[in-house]
Amino acid sequence: AQSVTQLGSHVSVSEGALVLLRCNYSSSVPPYLFWYVQYPNQGLQLLLKYTSAATLVKGINGFEAEFKKSETSFHLTKPSAHMSDAAEYFCAVRANQAGTALIFGKGTTLSVSS
Amino acid sequence: DAGVIQSPRHEVTEMGQEVTLRCKPISGHNSLFWYRQTMMRGLELLIYFNNNVPIDDSGMPEDRFSAKMPNASFSTLKIQPSEPRDSAVYFCASSPGLAVSGANVLTFGAGSRLTVL
Repeated sequence: AQSVTQLGSHVSVSEGALVLLRCNYSSSVPPYLFWYVQYPNQGLQLLLKYTSAATLVKGINGFEAEFKKSETSFHLTKPSAHMSDAAEYFCAVRANQAGTALIFGKGTTLSVSS
Repeated sequence: DAGVIQSPRHEVTEMGQEVTLRCKPISGHNSLFWYRQTMMRGLELLIYFNNNVPIDDSGMPEDRFSAKMPNASFSTLKIQPSEPRDSAVYFCASSPGLAVSGANVLTFGAGSRLTVL
């Protein structure tokens, strides 16, 4: 079965510092991987996706993620954190090759201090 | 497009009562998903539909939970009878489907926060 593990339920950075949110996946089919962001009292919004094309994926708001098959990882990074980046971030993998559902990790809350 | 629309946004009810959550997917989207979010378990997939047909309901926790999609523009998630442990945020999401996008990008609604007393 497919699964994702997000390392660290809470990450704190200073404004302007590097953001690194970790995600490792397990998949028996070629993985499609996603990062979503959730702001308080809102639904999830897509940040970026990997679908077997370029291994370095650029998303919205300056975020990017690199697919590393050898490490089964899909870590999310941003060179310089902004206060508005404070939110909860979810990594997800498609549930199976034929289906359309996503399996989500437990989430990582990002705090940004001034 | 108005996005995925869920109602009610908040529901407070007493144990034993029936709860019905509603969802209107984005027009033209072929797939619809119901997720539940709790602090303890994170985001759990409850059930999903393709072209109004339930594909996988293995995530539905108990027989007290049921979901329907009578047409392409409406779905309901019903809990009867409700229990305090059902308290959570329930999200509906829709997607255009693999045939259209090649990778299934889900668009989420704002969620329905359920509190069962």
